[in-house]
Amino acid sequence: EPEVTQTPSHQVTQMGQEVILRCVPISNHLYFYWYRQILGQKVEFLVSFYNNEISEKSEIFDDQFSVERPDGSNFTLKIRSTKLEDSAMYFCASSPGQGSNEKLFFGSGTQLSVL
Amino acid sequence: AQKITQTQPGMFVQEKEAVTLDCTYDTSDQSYGLFWYKQPSSGEMIFLIYQGSYDEQNATEGRYSLNFQKARKSANLVISASQLGDSAMYFCAMRESLRKAGTALIFGKGTTLSVSS
Repeated sequence: EPEVTQTPSHQVTQMGQEVILRCVPISNHLYFYWYRQILGQKVEFLVSFYNNEISEKSEIFDDQFSVERPDGSNFTLKIRSTKLEDSAMYFCASSPGQGSNEKLFFGSGTQLSVL
Repeated sequence: AQKITQTQPGMFVQEKEAVTLDCTYDTSDQSYGLFWYKQPSSGEMIFLIYQGSYDEQNATEGRYSLNFQKARKSANLVISASQLGDSAMYFCAMRESLRKAGTALIFGKGTTLSVSS
């Protein structure tokens, strides 16, 4: 079964550094998402992306965050200047279209640790 | 206000018993979807079951069923014949306005289910 692929699985960075989290969504999917989960807590929506632009974003997704689809396969989340509180599991997800039973397919996540 | 409320931080059940995980939601939309995901200790998010707001029948997927009570705005997950492998965190989630493409899936805080032998 096709799956969403995320790299790296773990990322350690120093506070103030830039990080880029990478995702390869399922190939025929059109809608892409980033979520984050602070350890043991709820899964929080960050941003959704369709047709090469952001379609929706949460209040968490401030100017420090950006997303990009640089080519036909990758979908990236960039954090410009990481803070300690950015430490979390970041999930990428994709979905095929506008079907009424449209579920999100999640990647296995990138665990980001900011020191 | 919370869109999705899961009031049970943790639930315990014995193997082969059934368990109900509670979920209530808040929306003014007429068209919405409700989802349950499972997150085992390995961390991945696994889709379990979906219920559309216009579906008249409760959704079922194998041992999972969704007890959908629209007037009460509840969408409880029922797991029958629990197995040790069911031990995980379970998240209820909602997508509003299914007509709008890319609408975010909003999650509850989750319920940790522990199955014992």
